[in-house]
Amino acid sequence: KQEVTQIPAALSVPEGENLVLNCSFTDSAIYNLQWFRQDPGKGLTSLLLIQSSQREQTSGRLNASLDKSSGRSTLYIAASQPGDSATYLCVIPKGGSEKLVFGKGTKLTVNP
Amino acid sequence: EPEVTQTPSHQVTQMGQEVILRCVPISNHLYFYWYRQILGQKVEFLVSFYNNEISEKSEIFDDQFSVERPDGSNFTLKIRSTKLEDSAMYFCASSGWLNTEAFFGQGTRLTVV
Repeated sequence: KQEVTQIPAALSVPEGENLVLNCSFTDSAIYNLQWFRQDPGKGLTSLLLIQSSQREQTSGRLNASLDKSSGRSTLYIAASQPGDSATYLCVIPKGGSEKLVFGKGTKLTVNP
Repeated sequence: EPEVTQTPSHQVTQMGQEVILRCVPISNHLYFYWYRQILGQKVEFLVSFYNNEISEKSEIFDDQFSVERPDGSNFTLKIRSTKLEDSAMYFCASSGWLNTEAFFGQGTRLTVV
């Protein structure tokens, strides 16, 4: 059974700081891993998708890494801005299934 | 850029009433999904739909729920007799193929009173 855990649950940083969000998963036999952003009361915006064969993926100030053997992924945000404030979700397809398994998220607050 | 659209954004309904949540997935996608998020909880899977039939469903998706793709573009979730505990944000998603990147709509907030 795939379980996804995200640490920390909440993080508050000053603007400009570089930060790392962590995701761990129990079943390393994954097809891919996706990071989403969720703004309060809003939908889910896909940020990055890493295929199981990749070690990392970059989009602008975001860099996601994947270490399947240890069951971990990190999302690195460089030079954080107040507009980055949101909940970040780590999402993995459940093996042998069509469903996605979600972590509970890390709520990020970037203070001006 | 293609996107998944959902309507309405917010729906309030009385307990016992039927509701239909609507979604327009990305046009060339083949897999369609409904997820829900109860306030303060994780996003959880309800159902997946492929080739005009349900391909997988969770234990949450009981007989009061149904899905339909009535016209080749819309994808609907019907809750036959709503309960207070059905209050949640409901997300529609689509993907081009199995286990590829999933795109989510902005959600419908359902409030059952």
